[in-house]
Amino acid sequence: DAGITQSPRHKVTETGTPVTLRCHQTENHRYMYWYRQDPGHGLRLIHYSYGVKDTDKGEVSDGYSVSRSKTEDFLLTLESATSSQTSVYFCAISDSTDRAGYTFGSGTRLTVV
Amino acid sequence: GQSLEQPSEVTAVEGAIVQINCTYQTSGFYGLSWYQQHDGGAPTFLSYNGLDGLEETGRFSSFLSRSDSYGYLLLQELQMKDSASYFCAPLYNQGGKLIFGQGTELSVKP
Repeated sequence: DAGITQSPRHKVTETGTPVTLRCHQTENHRYMYWYRQDPGHGLRLIHYSYGVKDTDKGEVSDGYSVSRSKTEDFLLTLESATSSQTSVYFCAISDSTDRAGYTFGSGTRLTVV
Repeated sequence: GQSLEQPSEVTAVEGAIVQINCTYQTSGFYGLSWYQQHDGGAPTFLSYNGLDGLEETGRFSSFLSRSDSYGYLLLQELQMKDSASYFCAPLYNQGGKLIFGQGTELSVKP
């Protein structure tokens, strides 16, 4: 019943290469978010979107860019991957900003070597 | 960044009650939510407090005190399956952003 899917689920890439992670939703939710999760840091917000072509930075946006050309897709791009970007990346969706009931994807485990 | 504190680890036995506390930064605060995460999987939404007081959902309850910038998650009748990480996540009124704490790892022992 996955209303939100992330791809790829796992990726290994080399330092300096560009990487794009995809988040796809079938819920027609307005809001979409990208988080990264690292040991000792919990979940940290990278970028978020409040509509098509409307995005904004989160806590840890340096080195990342996003795009949202359609309601259903939110792309996260690492322009030039670094080892510090090795992490688990979670996408989340929400239909409201006042109830905080996000639905999370299953995550993408990215390793930069 | 937003200041947010919760204990890193809690251990309890099956059948017991455990309380996980959370303190947060007040500026721009809108409400407090709680999430559960098993073994690095997708975090799942547990509860949300937009107003002061207690919200009850089955064995789980969540409490908020805006005047104290404090909330807690209460888990009753603990089961082994409740072993997981629990995150408090204040909602701030700038674009509805959730800011997550570092999480509390709950271990439930037989």
